[in-house]
Amino acid sequence: DTEVTQTPKHLVMGMTNKKSLKCEQHMGHRAMYWYKQKAKKPPELMFVYSYEKLSINESVPSRFSPECPNSSLLNLHLHALQPEDSALYLCASSQDAGEHYEQYFGPGTRLTVT
Amino acid sequence: AQSVTQPDIHITVSEGASLELRCNYSYGATPYLFWYVQSPGQGLQLLLKYFSGDTLVQGIKGFEAEFKRSQSSFNLRKPSVHWSDAAEYFCAVGDWEAGGSYIPTFGRGTSLIVHP
Repeated sequence: DTEVTQTPKHLVMGMTNKKSLKCEQHMGHRAMYWYKQKAKKPPELMFVYSYEKLSINESVPSRFSPECPNSSLLNLHLHALQPEDSALYLCASSQDAGEHYEQYFGPGTRLTVT
Repeated sequence: AQSVTQPDIHITVSEGASLELRCNYSYGATPYLFWYVQSPGQGLQLLLKYFSGDTLVQGIKGFEAEFKRSQSSFNLRKPSVHWSDAAEYFCAVGDWEAGGSYIPTFGRGTSLIVHP
């Protein structure tokens, strides 16, 4: 199984809503990542979890709250988002956060904030 | 700091024609280089990677890339393009981030358009 799954595929939420994005992998990978991608742009790194510990937070606003409950699961909790947060949110995983391990990406969640 | 330049925003080719997508990197040491492809509305799929060794790297879907240190380039090639190759292509160079993780820095992407 070389798949990273993400749910939901699409999400529309108001600025006062609370929602969560879910990412799952069963490849035994110990590093997981959240990226944000705007249209026609490359992915921008948001968070990195290594061995279930947050290792990188790229100065992301606190309205985005990551959580790694176990080594297979990564969540992104959303609260009080702004319309400019509308984007494709990509999850990725790699065997380790070291230099010889490529990232495997999920299909993404298309988020629209109204 | 590392960086990647993809000089072409769009490339248009006819189906069956050959393809070359350009990528130039800036990195002080030996770079770890990647090419990813992204179909519309999808995640990124790794086409190939270069860590060391043979400078001509074979990937999936008939793609190859050649690492040229003297030109700081890692261009992606395919001898005969299929309509299904129409997608966004990202070149990336890996580097260590402050948190101790090795993270790819992506170029801006090249959009490949394939004419029948």
